[in-house]
Amino acid sequence: GENVEQHPSTLSVQEGDSAVIKCTYSDSASNYFPWYKQELGKRPQLIIDIRSNVGEKKDQRIAVTLNKTAKHFSLHITETQPEDSAVYFCAASSGGGSYIPTFGRGTSLIVHP
Amino acid sequence: SQTIHQWPATLVQPVGSPLSLECTVEGTSNPNLYWYRQAAGRGLQLLFYSVGIGQISSEVPQNLSASRPQDRQFILSSKKLLLSDSGFYLCAWKAGNSPLHFGNGTRLTVT
Repeated sequence: GENVEQHPSTLSVQEGDSAVIKCTYSDSASNYFPWYKQELGKRPQLIIDIRSNVGEKKDQRIAVTLNKTAKHFSLHITETQPEDSAVYFCAASSGGGSYIPTFGRGTSLIVHP
Repeated sequence: SQTIHQWPATLVQPVGSPLSLECTVEGTSNPNLYWYRQAAGRGLQLLFYSVGIGQISSEVPQNLSASRPQDRQFILSSKKLLLSDSGFYLCAWKAGNSPLHFGNGTRLTVT
């Protein structure tokens, strides 16, 4: 089955700095890679996703890059703000009727004002 | 638009008591439904998923069970709770090409 490794487990940055979270996956059949943000005590919420036919996707201060050959994808947050502080999860899946995403273990991002 | 309802929001139950958590989805038909558990400060553990009424797949052996009596209703149950069942339980749904969407979760404390 799929295995997703996520690094780092904790990331501490100063407000205004950039943050990068990296994930690797094992199943070359995986073709969909969402990222979720979970604030303390809240549900995970989708912030951006990318499919395997695209190498990069941006949404304001957030971008995701995908390297299919190396089987890794990354989340980039620019100009970080204190409200970006949360746990971020990456996931990988191969789609299909029984969609079962494999999640990374999460990265706790702390943005210091 | 689609919405997911999950209740209760918090629950405190003694060891050995039964459990029933309910989740319903509105605005879509024949969704995939999921139950995840998250221990404090940990990742998302898939417990059960369902691709249709009466179709339940279990990902981990445990004293929990799930049922899908209606298309948009998913129930997580236990006959006797253990201390290790404490955690944050999240229901989620997906339909067609939509991403996976989570409910607001139930924080369960077994005492």
